[in-house]
Amino acid sequence: EAQVTQNPRYLITVTGKKLTVTCSQNMNHEYMSWYRQDPGLGLRQIYYSMNVEVTDKGDVPEGYKVSRKEKRNFPLILESPSPNQTSLYFCASSYRGGQPQHFGDGTRLSIL
Amino acid sequence: GQQLNQSPQSMFIQEGEDVSMNCTSSSIFNTWLWYKQDPGEGPVLLIALYKAGELTSNGRLTAQFGITRKDSFLNISASIPSDVGIYFCAGFDNYGQNFVFGPGTRLSVLP
Repeated sequence: EAQVTQNPRYLITVTGKKLTVTCSQNMNHEYMSWYRQDPGLGLRQIYYSMNVEVTDKGDVPEGYKVSRKEKRNFPLILESPSPNQTSLYFCASSYRGGQPQHFGDGTRLSIL
Repeated sequence: GQQLNQSPQSMFIQEGEDVSMNCTSSSIFNTWLWYKQDPGEGPVLLIALYKAGELTSNGRLTAQFGITRKDSFLNISASIPSDVGIYFCAGFDNYGQNFVFGPGTRLSVLP
């Protein structure tokens, strides 16, 4: 089954404790991206990747890092999480940029 | 950055009614997408539009890519309870190579 898998689905942690949210897709897609969703703001893109070893900033990259060492994986790293990063996060992928994206089921992060 | 506006922000309708919502931008986009999000899940693609003026249907859903390339609308005919959710439009800018999403329209269907 074609899917985008995110882990964990839920996480409560404390300020400053590094965390990683993993994302994996099994569709051999070139394009992957991360979004955060906040009430009334819709989905805002954090980072995206056009292909392996190619990443670029989206609209709200501050406080986040990503890497794309393999085509299927695109982890989101919060080196020093802060409470304003409490949000619902989605990973998405598509065959290439500009094509409709498949979304994961989301990761709800709470930073205390 | 670029922003999309969606209207209405929310709407309550009776089951069986038709629904219309739209999305506008100050910038030109080359691709418009419409997604639906159910509670606790990720957005799911409803319709993709790739050409100005294009009108595309998917069952009871119809969407159009505006001629100016700065807007799009989505219509749902004969609404049913499972249409409840948040509907997002998204535009793709070939220059920036990233998607921009609207804030969403929350639809409630009353029996």
